Amino acid sequence: NAGVTQTPKFQVLKTGQSMTLQCAQDMNHNSMYWYRQDPGMGLRLIYYSASEGTTDKGEVPNGYNVSRLNKREFSLRLESAAPSQTSVYFCATKRAGPYEQYFGPGTRLTVT
Amino acid sequence: GESVGLHLPTLSVQEGDNSIINCAYSNSASDYFIWYKQESGKGPQFIIDIRSNMDKRQGQRVTVLLNKTVKHLSLQIAATQPGDSAVYFCAENPTGNQFYFGTGTSLTVIP
Repeated sequence: NAGVTQTPKFQVLKTGQSMTLQCAQDMNHNSMYWYRQDPGMGLRLIYYSASEGTTDKGEVPNGYNVSRLNKREFSLRLESAAPSQTSVYFCATKRAGPYEQYFGPGTRLTVT
Repeated sequence: GESVGLHLPTLSVQEGDNSIINCAYSNSASDYFIWYKQESGKGPQFIIDIRSNMDKRQGQRVTVLLNKTVKHLSLQIAATQPGDSAVYFCAENPTGNQFYFGTGTSLTVIP
């Protein structure tokens, strides 16, 4: 089992460009999450999807959109990238109820 | 220990010693807490969790202590090894789906 996979691993964008970060899981978990991690800070929630067909904003949703394509896949889109979106992005999944999250390996994004 | 919004704390310990990493959480309604380990260039990895109806939980070489009165969580690592060098995060869960993470503590094990 691959667990949680993310593509791409690295990406460099110019200001104003768009891109989609992909996340897929084979754990049959209901909930999926997108976080960003900046130096010296913990993970901050961008968006989450409690179940297939639903999405909700987290702490820092501005500048991002998400799509829960099916139970396995949850994508994060930057429509017009800004230097402030330079960060490491993590996808995570969780089964229903108060349980731990499982994280992917991350996507390191640089916006110049 | 950890605090939201501050410079990343660091802890250095000798190999074989015990390590204690502290975390102050913010929401008294939080009823589930998790410790994660993050190695350089990798995603966070689950270590141990504890629910609010407990004050102590033990795993393999790790113990988590919860003090709800002062909203404090600690992670104890016994006989610390070089492979334990990483950043450690606590996370609190005040609602079913959202988690809030501390800023992390960087642990360095000196051989």
